Amino acid sequence: GAGVSQSPRYKVAKRGQDVALRCDPISGHVSLFWYQQALGQGPEFLTYFQNEAQLDKSGLPSDRFFAERPEGSVSTLKIQRTQQEDSAVYLCASRAMNTEAFFGQGTRLTVV
Amino acid sequence: QKEVEQNSGPLSVPEGAIASLNCTYSDRGSQSFFWYRQYSGKSPELIMSIYSNGDKEDGRFTAQLNKASQYVSLLIRDSQPSDSATYLCAVPPSGSARQLTFGSGTQLTVLP
Repeated sequence: GAGVSQSPRYKVAKRGQDVALRCDPISGHVSLFWYQQALGQGPEFLTYFQNEAQLDKSGLPSDRFFAERPEGSVSTLKIQRTQQEDSAVYLCASRAMNTEAFFGQGTRLTVV
Repeated sequence: QKEVEQNSGPLSVPEGAIASLNCTYSDRGSQSFFWYRQYSGKSPELIMSIYSNGDKEDGRFTAQLNKASQYVSLLIRDSQPSDSATYLCAVPPSGSARQLTFGSGTQLTVLP
């Protein structure tokens, strides 16, 4: 497809379980962003990649959160030992140089 | 004080009326400003960007920017029920890698 693709769309995890969320950006997009959106709030920045380099991870809320983009295309956001406060929609966005960012549909994570 | 603040809403307007959405930001160095529309359960979609003081019109949408007052607004003329959504104001912090700081959003309902 032509858009940003995220999988899974929905994930239910038991507290303490590890999860991995996948993002397939638009082909050729250099920049990739992860955001976390809690219910009723705007998205909050987590981390940014330029190609395979993670240039900013200042928004990751704890060391349980880890993101990678090893070949400069697909990215994975991993959350270890999930907690209830991790329940949110995780949005991925990608951007080419000097263009707008396009968002994926998001992964809704529910930690029970 | 949050970095990007939006009027709390929810906002209801009758079909055909003008909807006015407001946003203030704290970073005086910010140079670009964006309005995203997010339908329930969907990803944010860029509808307007503005970079200079004054008004920018695109169809039924007008963005207004006043950097001295650190204020940006979105007007929707001839509102339609299909405009019912959450509108997010987004500002890249000065010196950032183009990640966005979002407001919490204003939920707009256009009543038929």
